[in-house]
Amino acid sequence: ETGVTQTPRHLVMGMTNKKSLKCEQHLGHNAMYWYKQSAKKPLELMFVYNFKEQTENNSVPSRFSPECPNSSHLFLHLHTLQPEDSALYLCASTSGSGRVVDTQYFGPGTRLTVL
Amino acid sequence: KNEVEQSPQNLTAQEGEFITINCSYSVGISALHWLQQHPGGGIVSLFMLSSGKKKHGRLIATINIQEKHSSLHITASHPRDSAVYICAVRPNSGGSNYKLTFGKGTLLTVNP
Repeated sequence: ETGVTQTPRHLVMGMTNKKSLKCEQHLGHNAMYWYKQSAKKPLELMFVYNFKEQTENNSVPSRFSPECPNSSHLFLHLHTLQPEDSALYLCASTSGSGRVVDTQYFGPGTRLTVL
Repeated sequence: KNEVEQSPQNLTAQEGEFITINCSYSVGISALHWLQQHPGGGIVSLFMLSSGKKKHGRLIATINIQEKHSSLHITASHPRDSAVYICAVRPNSGGSNYKLTFGKGTLLTVNP
């Protein structure tokens, strides 16, 4: 148990659906991250929030919309996705100011399949 | 060419063997991370280092900043060590403070 939970663990959706991924951290951290992991590719950073403020948007298409209502919760709202968006979506959190030199704690991920 | 290259891509070992996984990077960095990802997806941070060597149980990580190279060693390997091992670096110059650059990972399989 890493202290970072993600729901759902698996999600299958059509290209016209709207769904949301949820991440919650129980570690008292201030920074939260969304990563995408596609088959045969390195992890890609999508978004970073530090003290609820977005500090990084790594040129992510607008069909992915993040929301961070407080330092413990992070959402990723999905709409009109494409089959190539099928991937493992991982949430992570760090303590302090969110400097990358801090150890990152990862959730178990949501396996997303877009039909 | 990816800024972070890992070798080998796949590694199969017998239980008890000494294992080495290598990571080379092409930019100046402030820190390097080794991560472990088990089947099913969950990722655990193993080490974060900026110089020298760190040890935790049967795992040892070393880094040579001048040669832009790091190694992860596993002594007395066990089937439960089977996982993907990922190297990630924080580049020194430019870019976000939050952005890590990841390698593609090394798939390790340890047979009993």
